[in-house]
Amino acid sequence: DAGVTQSPTHLIKTRGQHVTLRCSPISGHKSVSWYQQVLGQGPQFIFQYYEKEERGRGNFPDRFSARQFPNYSSELNVNALLLGDSALYLCASTLQGAYGYTFGSGTRLTVV
Amino acid sequence: EDQVTQSPEALRLQEGESSSLNCSYTVSGLRGLFWYRQDPGKGPEFLFTLYSAGEEKEKERLKATLTKKESFLHITAPKPEDSATYLCAVQAIWGLSGGYNKLIFGAGTRLAVHP
Repeated sequence: DAGVTQSPTHLIKTRGQHVTLRCSPISGHKSVSWYQQVLGQGPQFIFQYYEKEERGRGNFPDRFSARQFPNYSSELNVNALLLGDSALYLCASTLQGAYGYTFGSGTRLTVV
Repeated sequence: EDQVTQSPEALRLQEGESSSLNCSYTVSGLRGLFWYRQDPGKGPEFLFTLYSAGEEKEKERLKATLTKKESFLHITAPKPEDSATYLCAVQAIWGLSGGYNKLIFGAGTRLAVHP
């Protein structure tokens, strides 16, 4: 079985640009969460989606948004990129929030 | 405030030298404590979930234990391939009706095992 897949694996953007990151959960998993991991720190919660609805949002500005599609895949969008948005963005899926999370390999975003 | 603190930040061991990593936590509505292994540039790889004080789980050279305030990851006779960052996270329930949950991570312990 395929695990959680994220695309792209790496990208470089300029300050002020917009970026879209994509995630496909494990087949059958209906919940997707997004995390930001800055170098040397643990992942920080951004969003949780379940059955295409936003169920939770972390302490991130409105420049960050996400959505989940009918096939349970998800997109994370970041507008007006700042240098501080440079990080590894991780997607995690789970059958339902109460159980273990499986993470993808992440998207390494560099803002220059 | 919910938080997770891991110690030490970095640990260097000789091959075969056993040790323990610590994870202290404060959280309301704990639904589970997770240990993950993360290799450079990769996503976290699930190791264990612990749900109640006194619970223990083992996998090869790793053993995780849980008390009401902390968890330990014991590494017995480590090998160089055990070198990685080990992350601890607690799962907390949020929202007025507990409608969603999230993982709160510590900063991790960077483990280096030398031959």
